[in-house]
Amino acid sequence: GAVVSQHPSRVICKSGTSVKIECRSLDFQATTMFWYRQFPKQSLMLMATSNEGSKATYEQGVEKDKFLINHASLTLSTLTVTSAHPEDSSFYICSARGGTSGINEQFFGPGTRLTVL
Amino acid sequence: EDKVVQSPLSLVVHEGDTVTLNCSYEVTNFRSLLWYKQEKKAPTFLFMLTSSGIEKKSGRLSSILDKKELFSILNITATQTGDSAVYLCAVNSGNTPLVFGKGTRLSVIA
Repeated sequence: GAVVSQHPSRVICKSGTSVKIECRSLDFQATTMFWYRQFPKQSLMLMATSNEGSKATYEQGVEKDKFLINHASLTLSTLTVTSAHPEDSSFYICSARGGTSGINEQFFGPGTRLTVL
Repeated sequence: EDKVVQSPLSLVVHEGDTVTLNCSYEVTNFRSLLWYKQEKKAPTFLFMLTSSGIEKKSGRLSSILDKKELFSILNITATQTGDSAVYLCAVNSGNTPLVFGKGTRLSVIA
């Protein structure tokens, strides 16, 4: 399958700071990228969908001014958690769709564990 | 609203047992059903099912889809402690994000 990377894999920050997480599709062009959040012992919760070159579509209850998503190229999307607070501590996972697999597969990045102190 | 329901939510078995995990779904425009295994990091892909009745197999894991009854099962035979994980079922309904179930947490004890 295709490879999706995320950076950083783990980040610890102080409350009030902003954190940027990168998601890259390494060997295919991702026309669509998805950002998920996962709390302990819970399933993945979709935060937003982004298509290259257009604004992200946020799920209900997700603050777009707090979770800034930029999908500037076909291989890179970024999620910036602005003014992070302890309740934003979570596991953030991106996934990408595109390439020759068409619309039937999403490839996941390894995730980023965010801890806000 | 598209929905995916997995059962059981958690399961504890002994090594060597066989387990069956269930996934039922309701979606408006079914394209495929996917199974993932999640340990400490992001989910890893196991199977993608698009046609009814065709079993997909990978080692001790196998899965099958019933599009008439709208469900899929994931079987694991001769379980090992390394099979302990959360198994996620997701449905692809076209040009939309995957819809995930809550997962089944499998614990295999020696």
